[in-house]
Amino acid sequence: NAGVTQTPKFQVLKTGQSMTLQCAQDMNHNSMYWYRQDPGMGLRLIYYSASEGTTDKGEVPNGYNVSRLNKREFSLRLESAAPSQTSVYFCAARTGASYSYNEQFFGPGTRLTVL
Amino acid sequence: AQTVTQSQPEMSVQEAETVTLSCTYDTSESDYYLFWYKQPPSRQMILVIRQEAYKQQNATENRFSVNFQKAAKSFSLKISDSQLGDAAMYFCAYRTPAGGTSYGKLTFGQGTILTVHP
Repeated sequence: NAGVTQTPKFQVLKTGQSMTLQCAQDMNHNSMYWYRQDPGMGLRLIYYSASEGTTDKGEVPNGYNVSRLNKREFSLRLESAAPSQTSVYFCAARTGASYSYNEQFFGPGTRLTVL
Repeated sequence: AQTVTQSQPEMSVQEAETVTLSCTYDTSESDYYLFWYKQPPSRQMILVIRQEAYKQQNATENRFSVNFQKAAKSFSLKISDSQLGDAAMYFCAYRTPAGGTSYGKLTFGQGTILTVHP
């Protein structure tokens, strides 16, 4: 099992370009998440999907859109990239069992630089 | 909103010694979960240990243990017999139960970089 996979691992964009970060999980988990990691700020939640067909904003959603394509895949789109979106992006997945401390499993991350 | 604070940006320890990383959090919830994640240079997020708030007993995983003080809203990580492979960024994280509207979202602290000296 690959767990959570992300593509690409690295990306450089110019301001105004668009791109989609892909995330897939093979653990049959219901919930999926997108975080960004910036120095000195830990990981912050961008969007999440509690289950297939649903998405909700997290702490820092501005400038991003998401699609929960099916149970396995959850993509993050930057429509018009800005230098402030330079960051490391992590996708995570978790079983959606209520009142459970089941952990989130993280992908390897995508380092995005916007020039 | 919940907040998590790690007041130590960097810590260092000698190999085989013990080190404690601090974490405090703010919440009005009575039931929640706390986690410590390790992030080595590979960037992979690895769960180290977790604690349920309703359990008074501190969690332990081999050389890793926590000191959970619910009234003080403190959740420190103790690493005993430190090894070179423990060198990493460590994140404290908070989560409410997945029921309701939180859907298992994690709130992270700022992170602490741990250096292990041989």
